[in-house]
Amino acid sequence: AQTVTQSQPEMSVQEAETVTLSCTYDTSESDYYLFWYKQPPSRQMILVIRQEAYKQQNATENRFSVNFQKAAKSFSLKISDSQLGDAAMYFCAYRSRLWGAQKLVFGQGTRLTINP
Amino acid sequence: GEEVAQTPKHLVRGEGQKAKLYCAPIKGHSYVFWYQQVLKNEFKFLISFQNENVFDETGMPKERFSAKCLPNSPCSLEIQATKLEDSAVYFCASSQLQGNLHFGNGTRLTVT
Repeated sequence: AQTVTQSQPEMSVQEAETVTLSCTYDTSESDYYLFWYKQPPSRQMILVIRQEAYKQQNATENRFSVNFQKAAKSFSLKISDSQLGDAAMYFCAYRSRLWGAQKLVFGQGTRLTINP
Repeated sequence: GEEVAQTPKHLVRGEGQKAKLYCAPIKGHSYVFWYQQVLKNEFKFLISFQNENVFDETGMPKERFSAKCLPNSPCSLEIQATKLEDSAVYFCASSQLQGNLHFGNGTRLTVT
């Protein structure tokens, strides 16, 4: 079974600075998806970024980028120019590309605080 | 619709009572998922459906939890004889084949 580990329960960063959230995973599969989701206090789940394992290029979405290291099974999220609105829980997640309704396997989450 | 609709937003039940939660997936999405998020924030997978068929129910506490996705009806998650430990936010999500999961806003269940 796949597992996802986020070893940083909490992180904080000064507004406008850069922060990196860590995520490692374990799988025997070669093809899969990796995601970062943001969950603000409203509890809404917002997709931040998605990476397909077969793609060597790291995904980017505006201020958000990932460092995907397939051999090391590492998938970190970098947030540049942090803004107050980035404060939230961040969840790393894995999804198999096998056929069928493959579930997301979540990490434990990292609570990100932005200091003004 | 274009979003996953979960009802009700909040549900309060006394211990031992039944709770029923509903989820209308995005039209055209074949897969439906239920997750439980407890106060510690961790997501626990409960069950997934492929159309009306159960695909994976490895997370379901079988004695008291049941779920259905019937044609032309919202999906449902039912908890018989609720316990205090069932207090959580229950999320439904839907997706197309290999697409992203789209989450509803959750139902907060409080068992008193």
